Amino acid sequence: SQKIEQNSEALNIQEGKTATLTCNYTNYSPAYLQWYRQDPGRGPVFLLLIRENEKEKRKERLKVTFDTTLKQSLFHITASQPADSATYLCALAKGGSQGNLIFGKGTKLSVKP
Amino acid sequence: DTAVSQTPKYLVTQMGNDKSIKCEQNLGHDTMYWYKQDSKKFLKIMFSYNNKELIINETVPNRFSPKSPDKAHLNLHINSLELGDSAVYFCASSHPDEQFFGPGTRLTVL
Repeated sequence: SQKIEQNSEALNIQEGKTATLTCNYTNYSPAYLQWYRQDPGRGPVFLLLIRENEKEKRKERLKVTFDTTLKQSLFHITASQPADSATYLCALAKGGSQGNLIFGKGTKLSVKP
Repeated sequence: DTAVSQTPKYLVTQMGNDKSIKCEQNLGHDTMYWYKQDSKKFLKIMFSYNNKELIINETVPNRFSPKSPDKAHLNLHINSLELGDSAVYFCASSHPDEQFFGPGTRLTVL
């Protein structure tokens, strides 16, 4: 069966360090992968999309990589700040219907000052 | 100014009741979605509509019925509510791939 795993439920790091979150999947060949941020009591907010033919995407302090051989995406936040503390969700396009996303369970990131 | 809005934000009801959640988007997107996020925070797609037509219907009980009167609105009606329906329900819209989520409706079935 198709599976997405975000390896850490929680990640604690010191302010200024780089946070690296992992998303692994099995039995998929997704056309693209997305990362979302979710704060408590709020809906997810889109951060980045990376397509199957792209290796890396950047946006300000954020960087996403996509390795279709390893079936893995890494999400990096450089120079992390306490305001980056949130739950980060990866989502894969299931294929077929547009927008049919399968979400991972998320990694809760805490950045300590 | 709100992009995707949902009402109500909180819904507390008894088992067996019927309830509706409304969703509106002012982004001009063609595609709208309903998601369920359970107590373990797992976000799962339920339905998707494109221009008022159902395009995704995951394995959701028949008690859940989405209705799209126009492409800016996608409402969710739930019949005969059960305890297991307690969750946060999110509406979203997209064009084409980036999804914009509403603030969520927390449904509690007693």
